[in-house]
Amino acid sequence: QKEVEQDPGPLSVPEGAIVSLNCTYSNSAFQYFMWYRQYSRKGPELLMYTYSSGNKEDGRFTAQVDKSSKYISLFIRDSQPSDSATYLCARNAGGTSYGKLTFGQGTILTVHP
Amino acid sequence: EPEVTQTPSHQVTQMGQEVILRCVPISNHLYFYWYRQILGQKVEFLVSFYNNEISEKSEIFDDQFSVERPDGSNFTLKIRSTKLEDSAMYFCASRATGTPNSPLHFGNGTRLTVT
Repeated sequence: QKEVEQDPGPLSVPEGAIVSLNCTYSNSAFQYFMWYRQYSRKGPELLMYTYSSGNKEDGRFTAQVDKSSKYISLFIRDSQPSDSATYLCARNAGGTSYGKLTFGQGTILTVHP
Repeated sequence: EPEVTQTPSHQVTQMGQEVILRCVPISNHLYFYWYRQILGQKVEFLVSFYNNEISEKSEIFDDQFSVERPDGSNFTLKIRSTKLEDSAMYFCASRATGTPNSPLHFGNGTRLTVT
């Protein structure tokens, strides 16, 4: 059973659009969820970190966790060409394995001017 | 802003050769990790390292792999006898503490090509 599923896209939107990126997960024991951004030929960069259900906002980014449906989302408002990247959702194992992450396959986003 | 640095950025080796991938984690971080990403696939956990020993490893991390922190700044991944399927991007990462909200910082990776 795949633990974290993510639509790979690619997703192409015009500048200024609201972007919605989504992941589903299978194990309800997961507690911590992250969104990473990965530019071409670079390492993943942490964008947002959430625990439990609800929303968390940081500037143009909002992360949302719905534990009842095992669904995590990232919304990007007023998208910019510089947001073009691959977006990875991830969860950590809990217990004492907080640095051991399981990633989704990533969604490739292109924001065109 | 402090960052994780990895060298080399690209390593080409022949099958059966040993390779050492090098990483300098962020100073004062205590937890260290290696991940890899085969082209077109997910980023996968390989190993975690704390207090000079492996704390957890994945099924991928078999006897051909080893990690070491030879001094106070470097963290290395050695592959003893490389196989074609070891070709991937290898990412080093570090965290300051073991608490859940201590974020994982990744380097920009070493692209390993095994021919």
